Amino acid sequence: GENVEQHPSTLSVQEGDSAVIKCTYSDSASNYFPWYKQELGKRPQLIIDIRSNVGEKKDQRIAVTLNKTAKHFSLHITETQPEDSAVYFCAASASGGYNKLIFGAGTRLAVHP
Amino acid sequence: DGGITQSPKYLFRKEGQNVTLSCEQNLNHDAMYWYRQDPGQGLRLIYYSQIVNDFQKGDIAEGYSVSREKKESFPLTVTSAQKNPTAFYLCASSEGDSDTQYFGPGTRLTVL
Repeated sequence: GENVEQHPSTLSVQEGDSAVIKCTYSDSASNYFPWYKQELGKRPQLIIDIRSNVGEKKDQRIAVTLNKTAKHFSLHITETQPEDSAVYFCAASASGGYNKLIFGAGTRLAVHP
Repeated sequence: DGGITQSPKYLFRKEGQNVTLSCEQNLNHDAMYWYRQDPGQGLRLIYYSQIVNDFQKGDIAEGYSVSREKKESFPLTVTSAQKNPTAFYLCASSEGDSDTQYFGPGTRLTVL
């Protein structure tokens, strides 16, 4: 069935370093890939998304890359700050025509001062 | 996403009781969704609704029920048939022609 695998499950970096989170999807019909940030006890917040007709998208310190051939996409955070500490979820759209998203299991990012 | 509200924030239930979680949105979004989140796991889809008076089962619908009588509201009932209901429940909405989903603040349900 449809599946999204996300790695790593935990990531610890020093402030100022870069962080990379990778996801692989199984549905070749997926064409929309959002990334959400969730702080403890809060709602997931959309931070960036990419569609299948684009290979890379940037928004300040955050970038997402997409490799449709390999069916994987990645989140890159540069110059990490302590406030970047959170759980990050990737998702991929599912075929079926009803805007369904399949979520990865999440990556807990800790940025140490 | 500030236009999506969920209540209550915390909910405690005894085993064998049904409980209803509220989700309201004032974004004029056509589609609404319910997800369940367990510790260390991603979001799993319970039910979704694309338009008023219509809804479909998601991946883990057993033990849950929903209604969509108004565009703004999509309540979720956790029934006694749900064997492990303790979880964080998230509601989301999206415009009818968009796959971008925005989440509410969530309800944490604990079964005592």
